[in-house]
Amino acid sequence: GESVGLHLPTLSVQEGDNSIINCAYSNSASDYFIWYKQESGKGPQFIIDIRSNMDKRQGQRVTVLLNKTVKHLSLQIAATQPGDSAVYFCAEVNQAGTALIFGKGTTLSVSS
Amino acid sequence: DAGVTQSPTHLIKTRGQHVTLRCSPISGHKSVSWYQQVLGQGPQFIFQYYEKEERGRGNFPDRFSARQFPNYSSELNVNALLLGDSALYLCASSLGGQHNEKLFFGSGTQLSVL
Repeated sequence: GESVGLHLPTLSVQEGDNSIINCAYSNSASDYFIWYKQESGKGPQFIIDIRSNMDKRQGQRVTVLLNKTVKHLSLQIAATQPGDSAVYFCAEVNQAGTALIFGKGTTLSVSS
Repeated sequence: DAGVTQSPTHLIKTRGQHVTLRCSPISGHKSVSWYQQVLGQGPQFIFQYYEKEERGRGNFPDRFSARQFPNYSSELNVNALLLGDSALYLCASSLGGQHNEKLFFGSGTQLSVL
């Protein structure tokens, strides 16, 4: 079946640390993945995406790594800040190509 | 530029009633998708529309329906509301509705069914 899951429901870090949020996906044919950040009372906010022909993509303070061999995705946040506190979702495109399939999310808490 | 806008932001209904939620996509975006997000879970796909045509439908009962208008705005309708329909309903838009396009979400409509 199609499913996207995250390894840890919560992650607590200190301000300035690097954060790593992990995600496993099940559809080996998936060719597009997105990370979203969702703050309380808001809709998911696009962070970074990656296509299956890439292993790594970098943005501003964020890096996404894709390991197709083990069907694993990770989001790395450098120098984590209190404003990074939110729920993070990974998502993959469904087999029909019409929708995103989201995992349950990881809640990142950053303490100063 | 305005992002995806949804109305209303909050809504309270009772079981058996009907509800209509509205969405305006980002200017220039032709595709609108609807997602349901139950507390503590990730969003779940309901519908995708592109150029007024339904392109995809998730695993939701026929009580859920939607449409897209010529200006690319969209409505989600839910009939015969159940307590389990209480959720955050998210609208997202993308340029052309292709599967490898970025989806941009609105802030959602929080629906409570009593």
